[in-house]
Amino acid sequence: KQEVTQIPAALSVPEGENLVLNCSFTDSAIYNLQWFRQDPGKGLTSLLLIQSSQREQTSGRLNASLDKSSGRSTLYIAASQPGDSATYLCAVRPSPNAGGTSYGKLTFGQGTILTVHP
Amino acid sequence: SAVISQKPSRDICQRGTSLTIQCQVDSQVTMMFWYRQQPGQSLTLIATANQGSEATYESGFVIDKFPISRPNLTFSTLTVSNMSPEDSSIYLCSVDTSGVADTQYFGPGTRLTVL
Repeated sequence: KQEVTQIPAALSVPEGENLVLNCSFTDSAIYNLQWFRQDPGKGLTSLLLIQSSQREQTSGRLNASLDKSSGRSTLYIAASQPGDSATYLCAVRPSPNAGGTSYGKLTFGQGTILTVHP
Repeated sequence: SAVISQKPSRDICQRGTSLTIQCQVDSQVTMMFWYRQQPGQSLTLIATANQGSEATYESGFVIDKFPISRPNLTFSTLTVSNMSPEDSSIYLCSVDTSGVADTQYFGPGTRLTVL
């Protein structure tokens, strides 16, 4: 059974800092890994998706890396801003070769609550 | 990408009643998913809804409690039946684009409070 863990559970930083959010997963048979942002009481916004064959993806101030063999991903946020305050979730999608009906099912971590203060 | 809307956005319901949540997508998709997010928790998959077949439920979720309809490739409903306060959660639908990006997109969620 896939388990996803995110560290730290919460992070509070001053504006302008660079920061790293960590995600680990127990089963390396993944198809891709997705990072999401969730604002309080809202749905999920997809930030970055990394296919299992890729090492990293970048979008603006965000950079996500993937080390599939060690079961780890990091989300790097450069020059953090108060508007980045949200919960960040990582989720893994199983490989189609995993069999069964699990393809498409995302397993989520518990999230990292990020607060960037002015 | 896919744009997803959900109705209602929030509701307050009495114990023992049922609520049907609608999910509408702006394009045809094969796979739709329903997730639950309990207060302070992460997302848990309830079921996968494919058009033309019965929904597939995850362990701990049953059809009698969470009946799902999928009448076409752009629409699905989730009903939360015989509600109790423990059903208070955010319910989110998502779709699998199964395209080049294979990104899963999520709706804005329905915040349900059961008194």
